Amino acid sequence: SAVISQKPSRDICQRGTSLTIQCQVDSQVTMMFWYRQQPGQSLTLIATANQGSEATYESGFVIDKFPISRPNLTFSTLTVSNMSPEDSSIYLCSDSRRGQGEQFFGPGTRLTVL
Amino acid sequence: AQSVTQLGSHVSVSEGALVLLRCNYSSSVPPYLFWYVQYPNQGLQLLLKYTTGATLVKGINGFEAEFKKSETSFHLTKPSAHMSDAAEYFCAVTATNTGNQFYFGTGTSLTVIP
Repeated sequence: SAVISQKPSRDICQRGTSLTIQCQVDSQVTMMFWYRQQPGQSLTLIATANQGSEATYESGFVIDKFPISRPNLTFSTLTVSNMSPEDSSIYLCSDSRRGQGEQFFGPGTRLTVL
Repeated sequence: AQSVTQLGSHVSVSEGALVLLRCNYSSSVPPYLFWYVQYPNQGLQLLLKYTTGATLVKGINGFEAEFKKSETSFHLTKPSAHMSDAAEYFCAVTATNTGNQFYFGTGTSLTVIP
C-alpha cells in the first residue's frame, strides 16, 4: 500500500483569493496526478505532474488557473487561483507506481469558496 | 480511447443481501480495470484490480469482480452486504500502454438498509 498525505484537509476561502494544496507521497514516484471531484460527481483529471517537466493539463484546465509544481519525486503542489464558488470541490492527488498498475490516492482537500 | 459506464447511480440493498454494482468499459487495447471505494469525507481506497491472468479477482472486505472480455464488463459483487459497505464506488480503466491515464465512471452510491 501507499501513504499519501494532503494539506490542508479542508479550507473555506473567499472569492478572488488563491489556495495552494500540498501533496506528499511516501515513496519516489515518477507520475503524480491531480483530480477534481465536484459535489456528487466523479473524478476529473486536472493534470499529470512529472518531476522535471511541465505539468500536462487536460482539456478545460489551464496553467494560469491551476499552476502545479513538482520539485522532487515525493512532493507536488496544486494552486487554485482567483477562486470563485464554482471551484468548490474536493481536490485529490494520486500517484502511479511502476509495476503496480493502480493509482494511490490522498485523502483529498475539501475546498469551499464563498 | 477508454471509457467507463456505471449503470445505476444509486443502489440500495438490504443488509445480508447480494451486492451487484455494474461496470462496462470501452478500450481499444487490453485494459487494466479497478474498483475503488470512497467512504464519506475520505479519499479513494482500492478494492480490487484486474491486470492479467485470472479473470475473477478478489478484493478487500469480501468483494470480488469478474472480467468478462466478451461482455466488456467488470461487475463488482459481494454475497452479503454489511452496513459498513455503504459508500460511493467507482470503476476505473486504464490502458496498458498509455502511462497510467485513468478514466473513472460516474460512481454508484450504495445504501445498505438494516
